[in-house]
Amino acid sequence: QVQLVQSGAEVKKPGASVKVSCKTSGYTFSGYYMHWVRQAPGQGLEWMGWINPNSGGTHYAQKFQGWVTMTRDTSITTVYMELSRLRSDDTAVYYCARDAVFRREAGVNWFDPWGQGTLVTVSS
Amino acid sequence: YELTQPPSVSVSPGQTASITCSGDKLGDKYASWYQQRPGQSPALVIYEDAKRPSGIPERFSGSNSGNTVTLTISGTQAMDEADYYCQAWDTSTAIFGGGTKLTVL
Repeated sequence: QVQLVQSGAEVKKPGASVKVSCKTSGYTFSGYYMHWVRQAPGQGLEWMGWINPNSGGTHYAQKFQGWVTMTRDTSITTVYMELSRLRSDDTAVYYCARDAVFRREAGVNWFDPWGQGTLVTVSS
Repeated sequence: YELTQPPSVSVSPGQTASITCSGDKLGDKYASWYQQRPGQSPALVIYEDAKRPSGIPERFSGSNSGNTVTLTISGTQAMDEADYYCQAWDTSTAIFGGGTKLTVL
C-alpha cells in the first residue's frame, strides 16, 4: 500500500533552517508529483509547493519563493522540504501529500494520500 | 484568490450536513474536499467536485454550481465530526478554504 512516512518533530531557533523528509513506498516514486502543505497551530491548510520526483523540477507558492527548497533522492524514494530563516510564525505541522494522478502535470489534481505530519517548533 | 467556508456547521446524528465553499468562478474549476479529524492528517473525501475515492462512504457527496461547491453528508454519524477543507487550483497555486468545523450534536 502507498505510504508516506515523515521525519520526527524538530525544535529550531529563529534564523535557523529545518529539513523535513518524506519517505515513500508502495508506488512508482517517479510517477507522482509531491506537494508540501503546512498547518499552523489551530489554523487551516497552506500549500507550499510541489516537486516532480522524476525531473527534480519544482514550483513554489509565491510566498515561499527564495525561502523553501524541495529536493528528492530517487535512490531511497524520499523527498525533502527545507525551510530557511525560520521565524516563530513558521511553527506548524508540515505535511507531504502525494499528487493523486500518475504522470499528469501538477496543478489540476488532488492530494492523496498525506504523510503523518512533522511538527516544527521555532522558539528561542 | 480565496475560498470562503463557514467556520462551523452543526448537525444532529442521522441528519444531513451541508458545507459550502465559495470562490470567484469556482464553477469553472474542479474542487476537492478533505476531512481532518482531531490530531490526524487530512484525508481526501471528494475530488473533481463530486467523485468519491474508494473507501469513502456513500453518504459523502459533492456538487458544484456557479461560484459555490458543496459537500453534503447524509445520515451524519458521530465519526464524521471533523474539520473539512475545500481546495481548488488557481494559476498553478493550490488554494484551501479556511476550513469548517462540523459538530455532530
